[in-house]
This record gives sequence, structure tokens and C-alpha cells, in this order.
Amino acid sequence: EAGVAQSPRYKIIEKRQSVAFWCNPISGHATLYWYQQILGQGPKLLIQFQNNGVVDDSQLPKDRFSAERLKGVDSTLKIQPAKLEDSAVYLCASSFGSGGHNEQFFGPGTRLTVL
Amino acid sequence: AQSVTQLDSHVSVSEGTPVLLRCNYSSSYSPSLFWYVQHPNKGLQLLLKYTSAATLVKGINGFEAEFKKSETSFHLTKPSAHMSDAAEYFCVVSVQGGGADGLTFGKGTHLIIQP
Repeated sequence: EAGVAQSPRYKIIEKRQSVAFWCNPISGHATLYWYQQILGQGPKLLIQFQNNGVVDDSQLPKDRFSAERLKGVDSTLKIQPAKLEDSAVYLCASSFGSGGHNEQFFGPGTRLTVL
Repeated sequence: AQSVTQLDSHVSVSEGTPVLLRCNYSSSYSPSLFWYVQHPNKGLQLLLKYTSAATLVKGINGFEAEFKKSETSFHLTKPSAHMSDAAEYFCVVSVQGGGADGLTFGKGTHLIIQP
């Protein structure tokens, strides 16, 4: 079974530039999550999708971050404009259903460096 | 709101000796609890999960954890450490039920295995 795919794996940009990350979840997984992992910390949830609808985006900095999952499969996360503090690994995860007991499967992440 | 506290940022043990990684949780509702492992430059992998069934949970690679409601703890143990166990370990909580079920991660414990 193919895992969660993410691209690019690495990205270096200057502050105030824009950047986008892509995620392809495991086939058949209805729920998709984006997490931000700052160096030395645990991942923090940014947004959760159920199919193509947003379930929780309470921790997404909406003034600069946006995310979409138009057809209920792939998802993109965008930052515009980027700040130095956005340097982090951005993790995508998916699960078959919703509910806290469902296992989330994580992708390898995209490491963003903002200069 | 839920949270987890990992009591040690670093744990160092000798190969072949027992491992204990400590975690306390806080949750207003019946929680699901997980331990994830993150090897350098690799994605997060689920070690084990507790979802209100047996309080002693067995996971992969010889790890196990015991849910103790009275102590609000979910410590991770392994009888004999192996060099390949060196990694970052995260204690994670999620609330069962409801649509928003993003994971709340602890800050992580870095496990060092001495030869």
C-alpha cells in the first residue's frame, strides 16, 4: 500500500515570498490533516479536512496560510507571504475515517527554510 | 482541551537495559492515547495506541504502554533497548468522538542508546 506522498521535500525561500506544498493521501482515506513541526517541538495541527470540507482550522494563521482539498483527494497548503518563524517541517497525514481512535498515517514532510 | 506532558526531554540508556519514557495527559473527555516514533529524516510511525480497551497496550518492536487513569499517565516501556531504538518519541492525545480529532503532541523525548 502506497503511503502519504508529499512534495517538495525541501524548500528554501526568502521572507515575504510565497510557497505551496502538496499532499496526496493514502487511497480511500477521507480525512486529511496538515501539521507544522518547528525544530525541537512536536507537530501542531494546522487544519483538518473531511473529504473536501474543513472540519477544524482553528490553529491555522489565516492571514497568511491557506489550504484546500478541492476534489476530496489531494491537498495543497500555501503560505503567502512567508515569515522567518514559518521555518518548519510541514507534515501531511491521512486516516480512513474520523474519530480520535483512527490511526493517522504521516507523510515524510516538507522542510521549509525561510531566509 | 487536551494536552500531554512528556516529563523528560532526553533519556539515555545502555543497550540491553530497560527503557522508560514518561507521559502524563490531560483531557476533559475519554481520550485516545498514542505513542509515535520519529527516526531522523523519516516520517512519524505509530508505535501503539490506547482506545479504552485493555489498559496494557502492546506495540511494535517490543514496546508497550500502560494507561493509568488514576495517575493520568501513559508511560512507554521496553524491557531491553536496542541501538535501532534511538529516535524521538512523542506521546499524543486525541479526543474520541466528534468531527475534530487532530492529534495533540507532546514536546518529544529524545532516546539515546549507549553501546
